[in-house]
Amino acid sequence: QQPVQSPQAVILREGEDAVINCSSSKALYSVHWYRQKHGEAPVFLMILLKGGEQKGHEKISASFNEKKQQSSLYLTASQLSYSGTYFCGTEGSSGYSTLTFGKGTMLLVSP
Amino acid sequence: EADIYQTPRYLVIGTGKKITLECSQTMGHDKMYWYQQDPGMELHLIHYSYGVNSTEKGDLSSESTVSRIRTEHFPLTLESARPSHTSQYLCASSDGTGYGYTFGSGTRLTVV
Repeated sequence: QQPVQSPQAVILREGEDAVINCSSSKALYSVHWYRQKHGEAPVFLMILLKGGEQKGHEKISASFNEKKQQSSLYLTASQLSYSGTYFCGTEGSSGYSTLTFGKGTMLLVSP
Repeated sequence: EADIYQTPRYLVIGTGKKITLECSQTMGHDKMYWYQQDPGMELHLIHYSYGVNSTEKGDLSSESTVSRIRTEHFPLTLESARPSHTSQYLCASSDGTGYGYTFGSGTRLTVV
């Protein structure tokens, strides 16, 4: 089942913070976050695993609430390069499933 | 340098033609995937493979087929292209459950 992302779009000024949310109605093993710039392929940002382990980039953080099956991506002190569409992808709790992606959140950072 | 390659980058083809979209990765990943993405929309899984001689259909119904004869190669074939197949096709690979996906640059297909 497709995860639900919110908000659909965010407009920021450089230096501002943003939070993007992803929720699922099924038990999850992991949540992935990707950023896709216009005309390019999605780029892996971070993965959050059941049990709390995180693997990702220094300047981007995220949380995973296993009880609520929700994840949030935190973008702090945004830069122009953060602009793009952010997708969360979820893996089911069996651990042998494929990623199902949300509809994406478009982020625009202006000077 | 470890990477994942897709060819062609752009393809315009007539209705009824047979086409094969190529995908190769040099990372030794067992898991490979094909996603379809319309502009500005979400990614839909159409095929995946967990290793040589293993292929499965994804969530999105597709008239395409795939093969996995070698670990590094995962081509996608459309036997008879139709305008409804116009889309971007993204190939990806991963090291397994709990690891991020690496995506290729995609093939933007237009069927006229």
